[in-house]
Amino acid sequence: RKEVEQDPGPFNVPEGATVAFNCTYSNSASQSFFWYRQDCRKEPKLLMSVYSSGNEDGRFTAQLNRASQYISLLIRDSKLSDSATYLCVVSKDGQNFVFGPGTRLSVLP
Amino acid sequence: GAVVSQHPSWVICKSGTSVKIECRSLDFQATTMFWYRQFPKQSLMLMATSNEGSKATYEQGVEKDKFLINHASLTLSTLTVTSAHPEDSSFYICSASDGNYGYTFGSGTRLTVV
Repeated sequence: RKEVEQDPGPFNVPEGATVAFNCTYSNSASQSFFWYRQDCRKEPKLLMSVYSSGNEDGRFTAQLNRASQYISLLIRDSKLSDSATYLCVVSKDGQNFVFGPGTRLSVLP
Repeated sequence: GAVVSQHPSWVICKSGTSVKIECRSLDFQATTMFWYRQFPKQSLMLMATSNEGSKATYEQGVEKDKFLINHASLTLSTLTVTSAHPEDSSFYICSASDGNYGYTFGSGTRLTVV
């Protein structure tokens, strides 16, 4: 089993839709969780950290379920500019990151 | 926020030659930098951890004699792909942290070996 797994997609959604991604991780000792966004042929950029209590940043909501070892990302009111690949990132020591394969999102006009 | 500069952005080289990629932390000191590789439609894979003033730590399966890493100062790490082959063609990205802004990635280097 891979250490971090994601549905590769693509998720094709209309503008304004709400879309959710899940990510599962296998290492129960994992301590830090993040969502990164990567545009085509660009470097990943931090979208948000994921906290145990869940956190929200504008249209984006991230949640962590330690018992089931998954994290989620919810995007509300999708914009065309949200089209990208979303990478789930997990770390057990805050330094060494393990990247998921990414979920590709296309927001359609 | 922290800025990591990486260059070149893209490079084309002939098989058998060596290519050096530089990663600089512009406004902070980085005792540790990370080098990743990403093949098309795949995720980032950690190649090695670069430690200032000491030897790099390589991930399993990454040839240390082929991918030479030098971290001679707190702001510069270099990755040299030696005797490059077409299968080394990939997107190479470095990252570093200043301890406050999490990990920042360089803009990546797209290497094509012909």
